[in-house]
Amino acid sequence: NAGVTQTPKFQVLKTGQSMTLQCAQDMNHNSMYWYRQDPGMGLRLIYYSASEGTTDKGEVPNGYNVSRLNKREFSLRLESAAPSQTSVYFCASIRPAGELFFGEGSRLTVL
Amino acid sequence: SQQGEEDPQALSIQEGENATMNCSYKTSINNLQWYRQNSGRGLVHLILIRSNEREKHSGRLRVTLDTSKKSSSLLITASRAADTASYFCASRPNYGQNFVFGPGTRLSVLP
Repeated sequence: NAGVTQTPKFQVLKTGQSMTLQCAQDMNHNSMYWYRQDPGMGLRLIYYSASEGTTDKGEVPNGYNVSRLNKREFSLRLESAAPSQTSVYFCASIRPAGELFFGEGSRLTVL
Repeated sequence: SQQGEEDPQALSIQEGENATMNCSYKTSINNLQWYRQNSGRGLVHLILIRSNEREKHSGRLRVTLDTSKKSSSLLITASRAADTASYFCASRPNYGQNFVFGPGTRLSVLP
């Protein structure tokens, strides 16, 4: 089925550990996004990629890095996890008509 | 903060009633979109309204946009228990790649 696939769905880390969240879309969309969702805060943009080979910071980029490996894949890396990064992370791509298409989310807990 | 605002934060109604949610945003926009999120799932696009449109319908959904007041409303008519979810507005500014999400309205439709 066409869509945005995120892995892992759940992860528990200890403070200081690193990990990478993977995202892949098979809809041939150019732009991809990483958001985090916290209670009462809506979604906040971490990084986005307008096209293969380009990435830009969003509203809350500190503590994160990204890689746009190819047109399909956009990964988010936490180099040294902190409890403040406990959140639900969503990857999305944007359709030509302008709508965001989201993955199911990755739920991260940092102890 | 770039965040938009939504009200009410939570809304509880009986099946068959109408539900109205409001959204305000801060900058000039290209379009405004509404998304739905079921508990534990990703966001799903519902409807997009462009800055030169005032009203749009899709099935039981009616969206209005008032650019002079920087506000939008989502009306769900004849609500069903299956409409129980969180609803988010997302404004797309004229410039840049970001979408600005509101904190969401939690709708509960009681059978």
